[in-house]
Amino acid sequence: AQSVSQHNHHVILSEAASLELGCNYSYGGTVNLFWYVQYPGQHLQLLLKYFSGDPLVKGIKGFEAEFIKSKFSFNLRKPSVQWSDTAEYFCAVNAGYNQGGKLIFGQGTELSVKP
Amino acid sequence: AAGVIQSPRHLIKEKRETATLKCYPIPRHDTVYWYQQGPGQDPQFLISFYEKMQSDKGSIPDRFSAQQFSDYHSELNMSSLELGDSALYFCASSDQGASGNTIYFGEGSWLTVV
Repeated sequence: AQSVSQHNHHVILSEAASLELGCNYSYGGTVNLFWYVQYPGQHLQLLLKYFSGDPLVKGIKGFEAEFIKSKFSFNLRKPSVQWSDTAEYFCAVNAGYNQGGKLIFGQGTELSVKP
Repeated sequence: AAGVIQSPRHLIKEKRETATLKCYPIPRHDTVYWYQQGPGQDPQFLISFYEKMQSDKGSIPDRFSAQQFSDYHSELNMSSLELGDSALYFCASSDQGASGNTIYFGEGSWLTVV
């Protein structure tokens, strides 16, 4: 079965620090990869996605992620975080139509940015 | 742009009562998903519908049922509610015919069982 693993449960950074959140997945076939952000008390918002092509994808709010197929990884990065980036971040895998197209989520990483 | 609409946004029920959540997907999306997110947890997939037929089933309790109607809206029915059912319930939709099948989430329905 597919699974997604996020390495860090809680990350605390100061403003302007660089961010990298790890995500690894286990699935042998073709996958679509996503990062979602959930601000406190709010719904999941799509940050970025990877389907095919350039493995470095850019999303909203200055986030980017790199797909490394050999490592089954899709790490999220941001060069300089802001206090407003405080949120929970979920990596997710969509394993394709024969899996019903559903998303499998990682456990989430809570990011706290200190002003 | 139109988003996924869920109602009600907040719901308080007593144990053993019944609750119904509604979801209106993005227009022209053919697939609806239901997820449950407990406090501090990641979203757990419950069930999905493709073109009004159940397409996949996850960790949905037998006390819960769902369906998708002819206008593509979906309802999640929860009976014999338990305290542990208190959670944020997300509906999401996608167009499986589109490249990549991006899934978009609604704002969620907060269910509190007391």
